Amino acid sequence: DAKTTQPNSMESNEEEPVHLPCNHSTISGTDYIHWYRQLPSQGPEYVIHGLTSNVNNRMASLAIAEDRKSSTLILHRATLRDAAVYYCILRGHPNGGANSKLTFGKGITLSVRP
Amino acid sequence: DGGITQSPKYLFRKEGQNVTLSCEQNLNHDAMYWYRQDPGQGLRLIYYSQIVNDFQKGDIAEGYSVSREKKESFPLTVTSAQKNPTAFYLCASTQGQGPGELFFGEGSRLTVL
Repeated sequence: DAKTTQPNSMESNEEEPVHLPCNHSTISGTDYIHWYRQLPSQGPEYVIHGLTSNVNNRMASLAIAEDRKSSTLILHRATLRDAAVYYCILRGHPNGGANSKLTFGKGITLSVRP
Repeated sequence: DGGITQSPKYLFRKEGQNVTLSCEQNLNHDAMYWYRQDPGQGLRLIYYSQIVNDFQKGDIAEGYSVSREKKESFPLTVTSAQKNPTAFYLCASTQGQGPGELFFGEGSRLTVL
């Protein structure tokens, strides 16, 4: 299975931008990059996904390296509610393929200072 | 509203008892997943199912069993063979094909006394 690696933790100040990195050097051409975040004692929630081009939505932006071996989730103005564990995973397409297992790593814990 | 429902939210059981956790979705999703999460850890895949009447072992399937008799339902049984069953269990679903997002339930916290 293609795997992702992320730093264990990151700190940010409130109202400043946050860049959360993810490495996926063994990504295949059909793998989508997904990001989820999890608050304590809750299920993860979807944040954003992309294939090759950078993506924006109301929650965040996803910047994907040209070689697709890394990506960065960008929170434009961190708030205290953004403090969570953020997971980067790869999802194969179509029908999942080898990545239909959808494995998660430990994620990156984001702390936001007021 | 469409969504994925796990029950019960909290469950206490004695050692040696089998426990079944419920997961139901009304999103018409083909694929469903069970994950286990221990304190301070990421999600580990227990079992997954891409289609009714079919399922595959994940990374930590020992001591667990599942069934997928209906598209909407994917119950997980934690058997007495699971050596350390106390954990937070998460169920998720997604369309079987395409890059669509995973939808997660709110989780079930199992404590074995």
